[in-house]
Amino acid sequence: TQLLEQSPQFLSIQEGENLTVYCNSSSVFSSLQWYRQEPGEGPVLLVTVVTGGEVKKLKRLTFQFGDARKDSSLHITAAQPGDTGLYLCAGGGGSNYKLTFGKGTLLTVNP
Amino acid sequence: KAGVTQTPRYLIKTRGQQVTLSCSPISGHRSVSWYQQTPGQGLQFLFEYFSETQRNKGNFPGRFSGRQFSNSRSEMNVSTLELGDSALYLCASRQGGSDTQYFGPGTRLTVL
Repeated sequence: TQLLEQSPQFLSIQEGENLTVYCNSSSVFSSLQWYRQEPGEGPVLLVTVVTGGEVKKLKRLTFQFGDARKDSSLHITAAQPGDTGLYLCAGGGGSNYKLTFGKGTLLTVNP
Repeated sequence: KAGVTQTPRYLIKTRGQQVTLSCSPISGHRSVSWYQQTPGQGLQFLFEYFSETQRNKGNFPGRFSGRQFSNSRSEMNVSTLELGDSALYLCASRQGGSDTQYFGPGTRLTVL
């Protein structure tokens, strides 16, 4: 069974601070996605990374896929209250295309 | 393109009843997956349909079932509802060959 462990589980910071969220597994994934989910809504895709060592930037968000394609990180620079939400990583791969989700990191950015 | 839509958005049922949830995927997407999300367990995979055939199934009891129609729309049914079935049920669609899934807003099911 493939598992994705996300850390930290909860994070509360002040506006303007930087933060990093981690997503780790003992399994190799063909791709990894990051989603953000707001209360009562479905997850919204932020990025998909597919190549080991790949780094993608989305404004103040930087995503990295580990060289061995087993882990990923999300770094947010100068966090803003609008970044508040549940950040989920999901690994894909294999013939069944099933996505395996981590349990998420609940981020609160206080003004 | 319109996104994934789910109906209804909210539903309240009592134990023992059954419920049917509906999902319309993004136009052109033939794969539809269903997930259950609870605070304790996170997002758990229920099943995936592709071209009207169930291709994958998660570790849920037989009370949870689904189907997909020729226009790729999908329905999920839960029979004999239990209190523990209270959750946000999410539907996601994707293009064949891609791992990336696009989620709908979910149906919030409350079982009393």
